[in-house]
Amino acid sequence: EAEVAQSPRYKITEKSQAVAFWCDPISGHATLYWYRQILGQGPELLVQFQDESVVDDSQLPKDRFSAERLKGVDSTLKIQPAELGDSAMYLCASSLDRGETQYFGPGTRLLVL
Amino acid sequence: AQSVTQLGSHVSVSEGALVLLRCNYSSSVPPYLFWYVQYPNQGLQLLLKYTTGATLVKGINGFEAEFKKSETSFHLTKPSAHMSDAAEYFCAVSGSSNTGKLIFGQGTTLQVKP
Repeated sequence: EAEVAQSPRYKITEKSQAVAFWCDPISGHATLYWYRQILGQGPELLVQFQDESVVDDSQLPKDRFSAERLKGVDSTLKIQPAELGDSAMYLCASSLDRGETQYFGPGTRLLVL
Repeated sequence: AQSVTQLGSHVSVSEGALVLLRCNYSSSVPPYLFWYVQYPNQGLQLLLKYTTGATLVKGINGFEAEFKKSETSFHLTKPSAHMSDAAEYFCAVSGSSNTGKLIFGQGTTLQVKP
């Protein structure tokens, strides 16, 4: 069964450092999502791609966060510089198209010290 | 704007007892509604979804949910809890423009006691 892959699974970094997360969606899925889940809360959408284009990044802190999906397949989410408040689980999801069922990866748990 | 409220951040039941997790939503357009489950240090797995049609939706692992428009609710139930059901459960509603953006509730932790 096809799955969404994410790496790394865990990341510990110091504040002001740069971090990057990688996501490989299910093959053929046009839509890719990055969510942030703070401990004890539900996930919140950071950015949504349709193929290689960003369709929603309204909740992405653009002063420090960036995301790309250059060839419309895998994607990278970057934080520079990391802050203590960025400690969270970062989840990637993909779907065949907008509005279709989203399938989630295992997530990357980030701890900023 | 759309929103989701899950009543009860923590629910505890005995093994074999009925599971009822409550979800109310706010939406200005016909919603798509979802329940996801999350086990520790894992991603989210879809339990069931409502889009249109039959208001009683059956999902995996014996769970089901009923869409009640008049009550703006989408409560999740399971007749008999199993120890393996212990997890975090999230109710979600899709974005009003059907972009696929999910708006999640705060989550409910289900504890199953032997």
